[in-house]
Amino acid sequence: GQNIDQPTEMTATEGAIVQINCTYQTSGFNGLFWYQQHAGEAPTFLSYNVLDGLEEKGRFSSFLSRSKGYSYLLLKELQMKDSASYLCAVNIWKGGGNKLTFGTGTQLKVEL
Amino acid sequence: GAVVSQHPSRVICKSGTSVKIECRSLDFQATTMFWYRQFPKKSLMLMATSNEGSKATYEQGVEKDKFLINHASLTLSTLTVTSAHPEDSSFYICSAPQGEYEKLFFGSGTQLSVL
Repeated sequence: GQNIDQPTEMTATEGAIVQINCTYQTSGFNGLFWYQQHAGEAPTFLSYNVLDGLEEKGRFSSFLSRSKGYSYLLLKELQMKDSASYLCAVNIWKGGGNKLTFGTGTQLKVEL
Repeated sequence: GAVVSQHPSRVICKSGTSVKIECRSLDFQATTMFWYRQFPKKSLMLMATSNEGSKATYEQGVEKDKFLINHASLTLSTLTVTSAHPEDSSFYICSAPQGEYEKLFFGSGTQLSVL
């Protein structure tokens, strides 16, 4: 089966940097996504990694190590609006198609 | 980016009634759509994969007779919760893959409350 783990909650200060970790154990790995979800809203795409290394996009960066089954999302210059749930999702190739399986999600609270 | 429209956004119904939720891809065609369920402060659980022109594929533990999925066209998938009960109360959200990496674009979700 698949196992995707993230910390349940994190708290950080406005203007700081926070790293949200994700570990996974899956078969048929075909990429890893990070999504942001505000309460009661649909998730929105943040980043995608399929090869090892760091992908940077503005204030957000995401890292992947396939051999370690590990990814992190790095948020810089935190803003209050970054308070949200951050979902790690692994794309799994199975039965002729891709399927996205989500981790437990990390609720980030940004404080003054 | 691509737009996925989901209706209704909120439904309150009596126990025993059926509820239909529509998911439309507005500016692209989707041969596949995914239906997820989310409990408060929990992650998204994949319920089923909706396939245009063929039967849906259900995840283990999801009752196909309870959650009927119809992918009527390349832009429309519907989820019908039949004979809804209070334990079916949840946030249901659809998505469709599109573009680079085939990343998922999500509908705005439907909050179902069964009394």
